[in-house]
Amino acid sequence: GQQLNQSPQSMFIQEGEDVSMNCTSSSIFNTWLWYKQEPGEGPVLLIALYKAGELTSNGRLTAQFGITRKDSFLNISASIPSDVGIYFCAGRPPPNGGSQGNLIFGKGTKLSVKP
Amino acid sequence: GAGVSQSPRYKVAKRGQDVALRCDPISGHVSLFWYQQALGQGPEFLTYFQNEAQLDKSGLPSDRFFAERPEGSVSTLKIQRTQQEDSAVYLCASSPWGLPAYEQYFGPGTRLTVT
Repeated sequence: GQQLNQSPQSMFIQEGEDVSMNCTSSSIFNTWLWYKQEPGEGPVLLIALYKAGELTSNGRLTAQFGITRKDSFLNISASIPSDVGIYFCAGRPPPNGGSQGNLIFGKGTKLSVKP
Repeated sequence: GAGVSQSPRYKVAKRGQDVALRCDPISGHVSLFWYQQALGQGPEFLTYFQNEAQLDKSGLPSDRFFAERPEGSVSTLKIQRTQQEDSAVYLCASSPWGLPAYEQYFGPGTRLTVT
């Protein structure tokens, strides 16, 4: 089935640094979403992207929907300790037979921030 | 307002037991999704409901897994004759829209451990 390759797998950064992570796929997606998950909680939606080439910001977060529809990146500027967590990309593929609306998730980028 | 809630938050079952996991979506949300998240992985799609209709169950791993949403609100995921490989966090997500249900809002999950 379709898979998303998310990188890096983990990051250890200093508070104040900028962060960049990305997701790639061999097949196209119609929608890209970025979620953050903290221990014991469900994923929380950060940014949703709906069109190829779209660039969207949410505070210190910026994400882009790749022009080929096969990739997306997420940037976090001026990281702070509460940015710690696992960041997941998720894509919604075009409808295909019985599969119509579900999201396909990457394996996550674990972010650690040193104060 | 209240988010998606799930119960129980933790469940320990002996191999062979049946379990039932409950999801209360955000009030009025049309779409409801179930995902399975193994340790260190991203969520994987199990099944999708639009109101009370189960439109996609392509992700259910075996016929031991059964989900229902009889009145188009609360949903229950049932696993019969649990196996050790069923150990995972089961996430429920809801969306105010029908397909393609662009934005999905997740509950905290139920952590199932099969011993």
